[in-house]
Amino acid sequence: DAKTTQPTSMDCAEGRAANLPCNHSTISGNEYVYWYRQIHSQGPQYIIHGLKNNETNEMASLIITEDRKSSTLILPHATLRDTAVYYCIVIGGYNKLIFGAGTRLAVHP
Amino acid sequence: GAGVSQSPSNKVTEKGKDVELRCDPISGHTALYWYRQSLGQGLEFLIYFQGNSAPDKSGLPSDRFSAERTGGSVSTLTIQRTQQEDSAVYLCASSPFPTGRNQPQHFGDGTRLSIL
Repeated sequence: DAKTTQPTSMDCAEGRAANLPCNHSTISGNEYVYWYRQIHSQGPQYIIHGLKNNETNEMASLIITEDRKSSTLILPHATLRDTAVYYCIVIGGYNKLIFGAGTRLAVHP
Repeated sequence: GAGVSQSPSNKVTEKGKDVELRCDPISGHTALYWYRQSLGQGLEFLIYFQGNSAPDKSGLPSDRFSAERTGGSVSTLTIQRTQQEDSAVYLCASSPFPTGRNQPQHFGDGTRLSIL
């Protein structure tokens, strides 16, 4: 299963875009990139996923590089409620999610 | 519709007791997963059920841990003779049919288990 590397923490001003990077240089051709976030005391919340094309939904955008070795999650207008730990995951066998340490995003006024 | 429901939300028990944790997946979801998250740690895969197939138990940490899924819906995770290191948040997730890497898992809010 491909491993991912994310910065430990990031800050973002409220109302600005939050760009969270992820490296997954060993990703295989049929492995998807998933993003989840976890707000304190809650279960992980699904955000978005993609294979090779950029994706957008009501929560975020996902930009995957052409070689698929890295991706960026974009929260276009961060709010205080977006403060959470964000996990970038390359899905493994039987679709079990292998979580790393994630990026702790702090959105400040 | 309702999301993944887990009960109890909190459980405190004495070392050596058995505990049962329950998960109600999203209706119609055929795949069900159990994970646990120890204090300050990442999520750790425990077990996976898909339809009538044999479950993937590769993540269960010891033979004190077992899980069942009856009728393809509700699942119960049982921990026998609990130890203090079993203290963690136990999370359940489900995903729809057909299960593939293009299907996101949706999580409940977990059961916080504390072993005294």
